[in-house]
Amino acid sequence: KNEVEQSPQNLTAQEGEFITINCSYSVGISALHWLQQHPGGGIVSLFMLSSGKKKHGRLIATINIQEKHSSLHITASHPRDSAVYICAVFGNNDMRFGAGTRLTVKP
Amino acid sequence: ETGVTQSPTHLIKTRGQQVTLRCSSQSGHNTVSWYQQALGQGPQFIFQYYREEENGRGNFPPRFSGLQFPNYSSELNVNALELDDSALYLCASSWGLAAYNEQFFGPGTRLTVL
Repeated sequence: KNEVEQSPQNLTAQEGEFITINCSYSVGISALHWLQQHPGGGIVSLFMLSSGKKKHGRLIATINIQEKHSSLHITASHPRDSAVYICAVFGNNDMRFGAGTRLTVKP
Repeated sequence: ETGVTQSPTHLIKTRGQQVTLRCSSQSGHNTVSWYQQALGQGPQFIFQYYREEENGRGNFPPRFSGLQFPNYSSELNVNALELDDSALYLCASSWGLAAYNEQFFGPGTRLTVL
């Protein structure tokens, strides 16, 4: 079993829909990051969380340390949000990544 | 302010050879992390350098080694290349340890081992 599990693996949505991507982890962590990877490989850091909730534009990220779970929400999704979303956790000077969620938003 | 750059963009090597990949961190950043991403998979953490010292390492053998220079640029060296080393190698820089700070990623170096 992977130490960082993401669900779903693939997600197709219509433009405007509310999107939720989940990340569960089994190790102790210092922080959790959400990353966005576009076709061609470029990675952008979206959020760094150690507790609570953060919001940036249409993106919201939450973390529940006790339940070892984080969610990334996208409100009013748009085709430009189509990408792979990756959850990464830091702990003990090591980083573990989820396998990613491939999101496709159709116009 | 320049972003994170990596060189070369693409590289083809044969099994058993050695390779050096380079990363220039974003201006003002003192930490560089290296990642390996095989095709169709998520990244894997190789190691992190903070102020010229290795600070954290993933599950990679010793033939993966690195350096960070006084200007905080970094190199990743891989000896005795194996076919499974074929991957996209990404570096990311941050101000302070990557766990607690936003990382800025370079475009990657795609390594093919034949």
